[in-house]
Amino acid sequence: DQQVKQNSPSLSVQEGRISILNCDYTNSMFDYFLWYKKYPAEGPTFLISISSIKDKNEDGRFTVFLNKSAKHLSLHIVPSQPGDSAVYFCAASGTGNTPLVFGKGTRLSVIA
Amino acid sequence: GEEVAQTPKHLVRGEGQKAKLYCAPIKGHSYVFWYQQVLKNEFKFLISFQNENVFDETGMPKERFSAKCLPNSPCSLEIQATKLEDSAVYFCASSHRGQVNTEAFFGQGTRLTVV
Repeated sequence: DQQVKQNSPSLSVQEGRISILNCDYTNSMFDYFLWYKKYPAEGPTFLISISSIKDKNEDGRFTVFLNKSAKHLSLHIVPSQPGDSAVYFCAASGTGNTPLVFGKGTRLSVIA
Repeated sequence: GEEVAQTPKHLVRGEGQKAKLYCAPIKGHSYVFWYQQVLKNEFKFLISFQNENVFDETGMPKERFSAKCLPNSPCSLEIQATKLEDSAVYFCASSHRGQVNTEAFFGQGTRLTVV
């Protein structure tokens, strides 16, 4: 039973436009959410996170939105750049150092 | 070190052989996590440590898999009598001590191929 779902396996966006990656979760005990970016043959790299007490967190071109009632979060990248092309994983955890639960990832391609 | 170091990068084992993977967490991080990624699929949690103590082993297969984090040594994940289905990339991650809900930093992974 998948607790974190990324329903779009891939997304293509033109350079300079907005990329929106979506993630849904089912476990209401999750209270911390993270996005990781992964290039081939490398480990995931932390990108941005959000606590359940917030509904938005921004860091430069990256913004994460959290809708707790819908159990949905999204990552916005604007403007998108070719270097953003990677697989993006949504992850969630409960309190304490509980293991992260990952989605299956969305492959983003930013076309120049 | 400033990054999570995993060795080896690639490991090929014949079915039935033993495989041993190593992970050196970031200095000062006291939590270590092991994840398995099969066929570029989602990351499956295996086990976590708080310093040298097992913290959570709910994802660890009951047979053939074992892991340790001993003082002054890299952490290790060992698979006895490997099977074809063990072929995957094994990622290690570490995170800060005493911080609730903090991000984990990942190593580059060890690709295990069982033939």
